[in-house]
Amino acid sequence: EVQLVESGGGLVKPGSSLKLSCVASGFTFSSYGMHWIRQAPKKGLEWIALIYYDSSNKYYADSVKGRFTISRDNSKNTLYLEMNSLRSEDTAMYYCAKGGQGWFAYWGQGTLVTVSS
Amino acid sequence: DTVLTQSPALAVSPGERVTISCRASESVSTGMHWYQQKPGQQPKLLIYGASNLESGVPARFSGSGSGTDFTLTIDPVEADDTATYFCQQSWNDLTFGSGTKLEIK
Repeated sequence: EVQLVESGGGLVKPGSSLKLSCVASGFTFSSYGMHWIRQAPKKGLEWIALIYYDSSNKYYADSVKGRFTISRDNSKNTLYLEMNSLRSEDTAMYYCAKGGQGWFAYWGQGTLVTVSS
Repeated sequence: DTVLTQSPALAVSPGERVTISCRASESVSTGMHWYQQKPGQQPKLLIYGASNLESGVPARFSGSGSGTDFTLTIDPVEADDTATYFCQQSWNDLTFGSGTKLEIK
């Protein structure tokens, strides 16, 4: 059974940093691209980052480019999202999702990031 | 970016047929996918590739369309289908619609 478990969210002040983790199990993590997708409170979904299975390529939404960094450790079956220069508009539930052929069949339960002074 | 437009809300009675639409600002071929999200839960994939039913999803759910106009149909609707439904395209980068909140009367 595929499982994705996010952690690392919390309440932080504007301008600060935070690093999210997503531990994967139930599939060969090192064979799949992985994504981060976020959802602001009572809002829609926003894809924010993709990393290839071997970390050879990384892509970001314009809204986070230059501030967020996606990475992975295949030896630990873990995906990361390092978030710097956080803004109030980054407040959201952050989900990791298993990559595939363009759709997301597996999502984690999410970790909440709140940016507020 | 490809913008996906969904109507904000619908209300139907149990047993009825409901269609939820998603219009893309440019063609996405059949790269359209549908998700169901209940409060406090992560999204759940229902339909991929415009019309393919994800494993384990009831056959009451179906998808159709290509190009710019897509439809998710639930027939018949059940009370448990109360949720927000999102479309997502993967033809031009990755974008989501704003969601359609479905209320079962």
